Amino acid sequence: GAVVSQHPSWVICKSGTSVKIECRSLDFQATTMFWYRQFPKQSLMLMATSNEGSKATYEQGVEKDKFLINHASLTLSTLTVTSAHPEDSSFYICSARGPDPMGVETQYFGPGTRLLVL
Amino acid sequence: LAKTTQPISMDSYEGQEVNITCSHNNIATNDYITWYQQFPSQGPRFIIQGYKTKVTNEVASLFIPADRKSSTLSLPRVSLSDTAVYYCLVGHYTGGFKTIFGAGTRLFVKA
Repeated sequence: GAVVSQHPSWVICKSGTSVKIECRSLDFQATTMFWYRQFPKQSLMLMATSNEGSKATYEQGVEKDKFLINHASLTLSTLTVTSAHPEDSSFYICSARGPDPMGVETQYFGPGTRLLVL
Repeated sequence: LAKTTQPISMDSYEGQEVNITCSHNNIATNDYITWYQQFPSQGPRFIIQGYKTKVTNEVASLFIPADRKSSTLSLPRVSLSDTAVYYCLVGHYTGGFKTIFGAGTRLFVKA
């Protein structure tokens, strides 16, 4: 089945530093990947959509200069949280478009990255 | 973007069949219905996807009536490990589908 990986699975950093999170589609090519953020006891919130070779599309209220997204290849997208602050602490989840067992496009999610900014 | 409505929570016992219904009155002609399962501190896991009538795989069945304004995820003989949040989503990727998650249904399976 379609597998999406994320690295790292968790990260602790000091306020003001930048953190990069990688998202890879392991057994399929993904022209489109998505980045979500999830706070405790809440649902996933879409941050941005990234298409391979082009600029990401950010949702309203998400700062593009703070959350840098690069989708350089068909299997890799990265999210960089620049100058992280404690309020950026959250669970970040990526997903990639891929075919379901019937060949219909759907989304497959990575395991998530827990970010804690001190 | 079709909005979905699900029960906030459900309780069940081990071995029972659980049916979670999702309402999507504004579903578009090209939209598919997809269900995900999420455990704490994990990414959502794809369960099943369908367009109409019935779809079945090794873990669940998805029932979609003719008007497609609702769908029901059926989990046969649940176990404690099925305790999770279940999300119903509606959309289609050819239309630039953005997956917007609703609140989901928190299923709690008791022994």
